[in-house]
Amino acid sequence: KNEVEQSPQNLTAQEGEFITINCSYSVGISALHWLQQHPGGGIVSLFMLSSGKKKHGRLIATINIQEKHSSLHITASHPRDSAVYICAVPNFGNEKLTFGTGTRLTIIP
Amino acid sequence: GAGVSQSPSNKVTEKGKDVELRCDPISGHTALYWYRQSLGQGLEFLIYFQGNSAPDKSGLPSDRFSAERTGGSVSTLTIQRTQQEDSAVYLCASSSDLSDYNEQFFGPGTRLTVL
Repeated sequence: KNEVEQSPQNLTAQEGEFITINCSYSVGISALHWLQQHPGGGIVSLFMLSSGKKKHGRLIATINIQEKHSSLHITASHPRDSAVYICAVPNFGNEKLTFGTGTRLTIIP
Repeated sequence: GAGVSQSPSNKVTEKGKDVELRCDPISGHTALYWYRQSLGQGLEFLIYFQGNSAPDKSGLPSDRFSAERTGGSVSTLTIQRTQQEDSAVYLCASSSDLSDYNEQFFGPGTRLTVL
C-alpha cells in the first residue's frame, strides 16, 4: 500500500503570503491528485498531475516522480483559500486512492 | 453539466438500523468509488466499481457494509445494523476511463450520524 505523508498538518498565514504544502509518497504512481475540502465538507479536485508542473489561477502544483514528492503552491493567498488541502495517490495496479491526512490552511485577512 | 450527486445529504439513524446511501455518477463515467471520512480522520477507500467487472471491495470495514451498482450507473451503499463508529461522511466519486489514470470527480457527500 502506498503511504502518503503531508506537511505541514496546519498552516496559518497572512493574506498575500506565498503558501507551500508538501506531499510525499512511498511507491511509484501514475498520477497524483490535489484536492480541496471546504469547511462544509465538499471536495473539489484541484489538480491531477503525472509530471512537471500545472498552474490554475493562483494555484501551482509540481511533482518530482523520481523523488516521490509533490508540492502545492498558492500565490497571493486570500481568506477564501482557507480549506483543507489533501494529496491523494492511486495504489499500484488500480485507481483507488490513498489519501494524505490533509493540511488545514487558514488565511488571516 | 451535472456533477456527481449523492442522497441524502444528511442521515441521522439509531444504532442497529439499516441505512442506504445513494450515488448518481456523472453520466458516462465507467468507474465509481465510495470513500469514507470519519470525524477527525482522513479519507479512506471503501469500494470501487469499474464497468461490468467485479467490484473491488477490499476497503469495506466489515460484512455489514455492501454496495451495488445497477445498470452501470447509480450505486447504493448499504450499512446494516449501524454502529456509532459508522458515523462519518460518505463520499462518492466517478471517473471516465481507466485506460490512463483519470481524474475523479467527487460528490458532496452524505453525512451519517448514528445515535
